[in-house]
Amino acid sequence: AQSVSQHNHHVILSEAASLELGCNYSYGGTVNLFWYVQYPGQHLQLLLKYFSGDPLVKGIKGFEAEFIKSKFSFNLRKPSVQWSDTAEYFCAVTSNRDDKIIFGKGTRLHILP
Amino acid sequence: NAGVTQTPKFQVLKTGQSMTLQCAQDMNHNSMYWYRQDPGMGLRLIYYSASEGTTDKGEVPNGYNVSRLNKREFSLRLESAAPSQTSVYFCASSGKGLVADTQYFGPGTRLTVL
Repeated sequence: AQSVSQHNHHVILSEAASLELGCNYSYGGTVNLFWYVQYPGQHLQLLLKYFSGDPLVKGIKGFEAEFIKSKFSFNLRKPSVQWSDTAEYFCAVTSNRDDKIIFGKGTRLHILP
Repeated sequence: NAGVTQTPKFQVLKTGQSMTLQCAQDMNHNSMYWYRQDPGMGLRLIYYSASEGTTDKGEVPNGYNVSRLNKREFSLRLESAAPSQTSVYFCASSGKGLVADTQYFGPGTRLTVL
């Protein structure tokens, strides 16, 4: 069955620490990958996406993600987090095979000032 | 540009009551979606509308109906609310469809069913 796994449900870091949030998927066919972010009290917005081409994708606010096809992964990274990065992060996958979108369960990131 | 708007923001219902959640977008998008967000469950697609005049079931459609009133508006109806429908509901839209396009989300409706 198609699925998306975000292994870290809750991450706590200090400011300036490096961040990596895991996302693994189980999905056939050509995939499209997304990271969405939900800041406290706000609606979800796109952080970055991968459709094709360079597997290292850069998004807003210094975030990046790398698509590793052999590992079925699309991990989100940021070299130095800020307090304002406190939010919930969702990985999502679609496939060109069908009209579905699968979201991961989300990772709550809490940055200590 | 308001983007995607939803009404109401909060709602409390009793079991068995009905209500309609409203969603509108002003981005001239073809596709619109309804999701529910539950703690530890992420977002799950309830229904979507690829274009005006069409609707399709998502992952969790039971207990819901939708109407794509026109290109701008997509409503979600609970005919007989149940406590299991307590959730936060998000509407979203995209220009080109579900698979290969960014979705733009509304602010959400927090629904409690007693």
